Amino acid sequence: DTEVTQTPKHLVMGMTNKKSLKCEQHMGHRAMYWYKQKAKKPPELMFVYSYEKLSINESVPSRFSPECPNSSLLNLHLHALQPEDSALYLCASSQGEGPDTQYFGPGTRLTVL
Amino acid sequence: TQLLEQSPQFLSIQEGENLTVYCNSSSVFSSLQWYRQEPGEGPVLLVTVVTGGEVKKLKRLTFQFGDARKDSSLHITAAQTGDTGLYLCAGAQANQAGTALIFGKGTTLSVSS
Repeated sequence: DTEVTQTPKHLVMGMTNKKSLKCEQHMGHRAMYWYKQKAKKPPELMFVYSYEKLSINESVPSRFSPECPNSSLLNLHLHALQPEDSALYLCASSQGEGPDTQYFGPGTRLTVL
Repeated sequence: TQLLEQSPQFLSIQEGENLTVYCNSSSVFSSLQWYRQEPGEGPVLLVTVVTGGEVKKLKRLTFQFGDARKDSSLHITAAQTGDTGLYLCAGAQANQAGTALIFGKGTTLSVSS
């Protein structure tokens, strides 16, 4: 099983709202990732968690706040977003060692009004 | 800045034709992954190549990793309309936990009947 699940599938929020994106994997992977993807562009890395610790933060604005409650779960908390933050948000996971192939979830389509 | 140059950016062909997509870099990668993505969905892993000179076949798709592990190609034989999508190559730099992927800009393939 190489499944990464993400909820919700779609999210519409106002600029003053607080919402969270959720990601889950049960492959025993120890690294989890958040990416942002605009239409017809490759994914852009936002955060990396390795063994439940934040190991990479690609200078993401503080209105995005990641959380890794345990090795299977990854959250992305959203607050005071801007319309330009509208995008497909992708979660991925990998073993964290060796070839480290990343498996992606289906994504959350976020629209900020 | 590490770059992975992917070409062509767009490809429009007829069913039954063959095509090749290229990814080139001046950097050495420990592994390289190819993904296919449909609009609004997450990237789906096609293959991971690890060894220099490696060739992997997945039905009508043939993947090659360069001897120096700096470049890769994807060849599709007798394309079908179901092959339509965005193809992404992504290189992994090191064997450490939470390794970030370097993505190419993607190839948008359109196969018409």
